Amino acid sequence: QVQLVESGGGVVQPGRSLRLSCAASGFTFSAYGMHWVRQAPGKGLEWVAVIWYDGSNQYYADSVKGRFTISRDSSKNTLYLQMNSLRGEDTAVYHCARDCGGDCSYALDIWGQGTMVTVSS
Amino acid sequence: QTVVTQEPSFSVSPGGTVTFTCGLSSGSVSTSYYPSWYQQTPGQAPRTLIYRTNIRSSGVPDRFSGSILGNKAALTITGAQADDESDYYCVLYLGSGMWVFGGGTKLSVL
Repeated sequence: QVQLVESGGGVVQPGRSLRLSCAASGFTFSAYGMHWVRQAPGKGLEWVAVIWYDGSNQYYADSVKGRFTISRDSSKNTLYLQMNSLRGEDTAVYHCARDCGGDCSYALDIWGQGTMVTVSS
Repeated sequence: QTVVTQEPSFSVSPGGTVTFTCGLSSGSVSTSYYPSWYQQTPGQAPRTLIYRTNIRSSGVPDRFSGSILGNKAALTITGAQADDESDYYCVLYLGSGMWVFGGGTKLSVL
C-alpha cells in the first residue's frame, strides 16, 4: 500500500545537525513532489519545505531557510531533510507528505506518522 | 509575513452543522490559493479531507464540503458525528513554492 515512513529523529543539542529520512513505497516516488511539515508539541502544523518531483526546485519556510535542506534520492525512493544549526524552536514531530500532483496539485494527500526531533542541551 | 487565520475552537451538537473558515491576514482567499483541509486527531498523522477548495479526497464522506464564503475558504460539516471531534487545518498555496497552514480549529462535538 501507499506508505511514507520517517526516521532519523532524536535528541540533539542546540547548534548541532540531524538528517531525517522518509522512505516511500507503493507509488512511483519520482513522479511526485514531496513536503516536510512539522508540529511542535501542543501546536499546529507548520509547512517546512517542498521539493519538486524531479528535484529541480526546493522551497523553504522563512523559519528554516538557510539552515535546512530538502533533497531526494529516487533510486532509493527516499526523501531527506538535513537540519543544521538546530534551535529549541525546531523541536517538533516532522512529517513527510506527498504532494497530490496532477488535478489535485498543491494539496498533501499522503502523510507519514512522523519522527520526533528534540533540540535540548 | 502572511498569516492564515482560523477560528481557534468550535463546538457543535451531534447531528448539527458547523462551518470553519480560513482567511488571510491581508487580502481575500480565492480558488487561486488552492485551499485544502486536513483533519487530525491527537497523536495521529493528518488526514486529507478537501483539496482545490471543494473536492473531497478519496473515502471522505459527503457530509464534509468545501467552499469559498465571502473572502475566506470554508469547511462545512453537515450532520456532525462524535468521531468528527478533531483538529482541522487549512493550508493555502501562496505561490512561488510557498505553503502556509492556518493555526487550526479544535472541534468539540457535545
